[in-house]
Amino acid sequence: GAVVSQHPSWVICKSGTSVKIECRSLDFQATTMFWYRQFPKQSLMLMATSNEGSKATYEQGVEKDKFLINHASLTLSTLTVTSAHPEDSSFYICSARIQGEYSPLHFGNGTRLTVT
Amino acid sequence: GQNIDQPTEMTATEGAIVQINCTYQTSGFNGLFWYQQHAGEAPTFLSYNVLDGLEEKGRFSSFLSRSKGYSYLLLKELQMKDSASYLCAVMDSNYQLIWGAGTKLIIKP
Repeated sequence: GAVVSQHPSWVICKSGTSVKIECRSLDFQATTMFWYRQFPKQSLMLMATSNEGSKATYEQGVEKDKFLINHASLTLSTLTVTSAHPEDSSFYICSARIQGEYSPLHFGNGTRLTVT
Repeated sequence: GQNIDQPTEMTATEGAIVQINCTYQTSGFNGLFWYQQHAGEAPTFLSYNVLDGLEEKGRFSSFLSRSKGYSYLLLKELQMKDSASYLCAVMDSNYQLIWGAGTKLIIKP
């Protein structure tokens, strides 16, 4: 159990376009999902906490108008990178817990975004 | 501030044992997690410690000392596939995960 599916696995887009990344919990319901970004050889950085039915909570320094998060159901959260620039090129990973704060995070396979 | 320290890189030999240390200073403590991350892939969960002591799970064991703010991940009978980064993460009083930068483990034949 505890499978988190993320799509697409990789995407290449042109500067100025928008990209949507989907994160699904396949065998459990997730009221909260987490979006991370990881640059090469660096640690995971939490971007935002996605809450089902309400607005996402963004970490300091993350532009909420640029990284749009929608958590429309208990099994789906989406991250849209709007007006992408080359510096947005990174590895984006979503995660979720089965239940309870003490449960481990289970990660999607990640999306490698390259903006040209 | 909150801080997680772990070595940047370690090298070990196939079949041997390696211990990866993690020290932390956080606002509260609600458990410590170890994750394995292969290059270009997302992290996968290895272990969770919230009480002092050793948790053993097959070839992998994780130890926690809350009074010392210290944990280690012990990998036995190393295999080439164990070459990966190992991430230490602490859950703080707000149930937020604070991540270490990861330890890159290189296994040599």
